[in-house]
Amino acid sequence: GAGVSQSPSNKVTEKGKDVELRCDPISGHTALYWYRQSLGQGLEFLIYFQGNSAPDKSGLPSDRFSAERTGGSVSTLTIQRTQQEDSAVYLCASSLDPGGRADTQYFGPGTRLTVL
Amino acid sequence: DAKTTQPNSMESNEEEPVHLPCNHSTISGTDYIHWYRQLPSQGPEYVIHGLTSNVNNRMASLAIAEDRKSSTLILHRATLRDAAVYYCILRDIFNTYNQGGKLIFGQGTELSVKP
Repeated sequence: GAGVSQSPSNKVTEKGKDVELRCDPISGHTALYWYRQSLGQGLEFLIYFQGNSAPDKSGLPSDRFSAERTGGSVSTLTIQRTQQEDSAVYLCASSLDPGGRADTQYFGPGTRLTVL
Repeated sequence: DAKTTQPNSMESNEEEPVHLPCNHSTISGTDYIHWYRQLPSQGPEYVIHGLTSNVNNRMASLAIAEDRKSSTLILHRATLRDAAVYYCILRDIFNTYNQGGKLIFGQGTELSVKP
């Protein structure tokens, strides 16, 4: 079956512009996560959506970052007024049972964002 | 979630077993031990998880110390495709249920496999 897909795979933008990154989770997965991976920083959690609950935004680095999930499926991560330090690979993951003992997160291939 | 410590890098020869260690001396009774790996230019993928008993699946085995303060991921016959960064992650099942299942990644172990 189809895995998690993300688009675009690569995005180059100029400092100060807004960007939108898209994630299509695995069908039926109720939980969706955004992470980012910067050079030398490792993987860090950004935001988590679970069903109709309020999202966990505790990992968003600034108010320039926001995300929404429409209809419990597709999610969009928006970065406003991009800065060079926002350059990273943005990864999306989804899972079926986030409270379960055997919960497994399935990751997409990521979007590589470069801010010039 | 409690912290884990892994070596920064390890080397292996193709078709030989690989033992990837992880220390988690502050593990709590409700922490599950999860392993993910990240192949070059890909997102992380799940490998295996366990609580107290050793676990086997088609990808690997997980050996958990009796006091649970350490664990070892075992690849029985390394292939070139196993070259990746391996992450050992603790997940508190109660926090996961109440607060969501975000993964807290450390630096992991970069495994290189020589032909």
